[in-house]
Amino acid sequence: RKEVEQDPGPFNVPEGATVAFNCTYSNSASQSFFWYRQDCRKEPKLLMSVYSSGNEDGRFTAQLNRASQYISLLIRDSKLSDSATYLCVVKTGGFKTIFGAGTRLFVKA
Amino acid sequence: SQTIHQWPATLVQPVGSPLSLECTVEGTSNPNLYWYRQAAGRGLQLLFYSVGIGQISSEVPQNLSASRPQDRQFILSSKKLLLSDSGFYLCAWSDGVRYGYTFGSGTRLTVV
Repeated sequence: RKEVEQDPGPFNVPEGATVAFNCTYSNSASQSFFWYRQDCRKEPKLLMSVYSSGNEDGRFTAQLNRASQYISLLIRDSKLSDSATYLCVVKTGGFKTIFGAGTRLFVKA
Repeated sequence: SQTIHQWPATLVQPVGSPLSLECTVEGTSNPNLYWYRQAAGRGLQLLFYSVGIGQISSEVPQNLSASRPQDRQFILSSKKLLLSDSGFYLCAWSDGVRYGYTFGSGTRLTVV
């Protein structure tokens, strides 16, 4: 089993749609969780941290379920500019950080 | 504010040639520094990390090496490149476990 697993997609959605990504992790000792966005041929950029209580940033909502060991990202009212690959990132104590392989999203007009 | 610089942006090198990629960070002291590689269509693979000058930890065996000659400088090297070294190399820094990474703009290396 991979340490961090994501559905590779691609997810093809129309503008204005709501889309959700899930990510599961295997190490119950994981401490910090993030979602990154990576545009084609560019570096990953931090989208948002994921907190235990859940957190929202505009159209983006992230949630963490420690009992089931998964995190999720919800994008509401999708825009064309949301088209990218979304990476789930899990940090365990020390310097061990695992990046998921990413989920590709295409938002179409 | 903190910035991270990485160069060159693209590189085409023949098999067996040496490699040197440089990364510098500004606006922070004693950062944790990382080198990652991303193969085409794959996830990020941690190659090296450093918690201080001269302190390098290697995550995977390979023909690459890293050095940290100054607090905010991190260098990735190879004496002889292999075809399998092709990929997108990313330098990153972080303040600790609670915080995410900030990546440089990356170097796209093609070994021919």
